[in-house]
This record gives sequence, C-alpha cells and structure tokens, in this order.
Amino acid sequence: DAKTTQPPSMDCAEGRAANLPCNHSTISGNEYVYWYRQIHSQGPQYIIHGLKNNETNEMASLIITEDRKSSTLILPHATLRDTAVYYCIVRVGSSSNTGKLIFGQGTTLQVKP
Amino acid sequence: GAVVSQHPSRVICKSGTSVKIECRSLDFQATTMFWYRQFPKQSLMLMATSNEGSKATYEQGVEKDKFLINHASLTLSTLTVTSAHPEDSSFYICSARDSSQPQHFGDGTRLSIL
Repeated sequence: DAKTTQPPSMDCAEGRAANLPCNHSTISGNEYVYWYRQIHSQGPQYIIHGLKNNETNEMASLIITEDRKSSTLILPHATLRDTAVYYCIVRVGSSSNTGKLIFGQGTTLQVKP
Repeated sequence: GAVVSQHPSRVICKSGTSVKIECRSLDFQATTMFWYRQFPKQSLMLMATSNEGSKATYEQGVEKDKFLINHASLTLSTLTVTSAHPEDSSFYICSARDSSQPQHFGDGTRLSIL
C-alpha cells in the first residue's frame, strides 16, 4: 500500500474549519484514501473515504486532487471534541476483503478555544 | 453505524499469566478481523489479520505462538497473549470488516503486566 505523509501537528480555533492535508504521491489507481481519527485512549474512529471524487458526510468533507496525489480532510466547524490524532491511509479496495489499514504517525490536531 | 465491542477494557495481571481479549462485531458479520498494538506515543502497529475459519496471518516480527488468534465465528475473534511479560504491556485494539463497509475499531484493551 502507498505511503502517506502528514504534518505532525496542527492547531485550529474552535468554530473554524480545520483543513488537514495528506500527500500520497505514489497512490495506485485502485487505492482508496481513508481517514480515521483517534481520540486519546480510544480506538480509531472511521471518518470518511474516497477514490477520485470529493466526498462529504455528517462528519467531514474529503477533497482529493485531480491527480490523486494529495487530499485534504475538512472539518467544517471544529469543536474541542475534535482534538485527536488524524490518520490518512491509502488502501486497496473500498469494501472488499483485500488490503490492510497500515497506520502512519498521523496529524495531531489541537482545537483551541 | 457498525459497532465493534472489545472486552475487557483493562487488564492488570502478573508476569507469566496468559490473557485473553475478545473482539465482537455487534451488528454485522465480520469476515475479516484485525489485531493491532499501540505503545505510548506511537501509532498503531498491525499484528495480524484473521479471516473466519482460517488461520491468522501474522505481520513480520509478531510471534504467532506468543499471540494466539482465534476467529471461530463471523462475530467473534480472540487474542490470547500467552505467558505475558512486562514488555507485552500495551494497548491492544481489534477491528473488523465485512464486504460492505469500512473497517471499524473496538475501544481497545489496556494490558498491564506487573
């Protein structure tokens, strides 16, 4: 699976949008981009995933560049409870039984009042 | 959404004890389950992948005789840490997936070996 690069940490003001970047320049055509987050002492929580098109759900939006070499996770109105480590992972397959989620170091997002 | 339950949430035991951790998918049938380990201030490290009814596939460097994985049904996988020692103290997290949705994670088991 392709490797991803994320900034180690970011700050965001409460109520503002948090934009978390991820580089995956070696992504293959059949690899999806997944985002998870881990709040301290809990298991990772699924946020969103996509292949080519931008995606939006109740938690966040995922913007994938046209060449698919990078993406941005957007939390539209960050709250203090969004403080967590955010992981960007690329993996073969969307819902098939192939591929494993391999975690990098992620981005620690600190939402400040 | 999909729910993965992990039990116990915390275990403290003496060195040499074997510890079993359960992972259940509550509202879906998990064809594949995964076990991760996380040390303080580090990321999650995949230990093994198991498919229901098959032997687990272990990642390089993970001792299969030390970490026994059983995936006997589509809703239950167990990880047994055999003859645990202080260096096995860690946060163990399971996750599960079926063919229709992304991988979901349990809330982890914090294992402390004295």
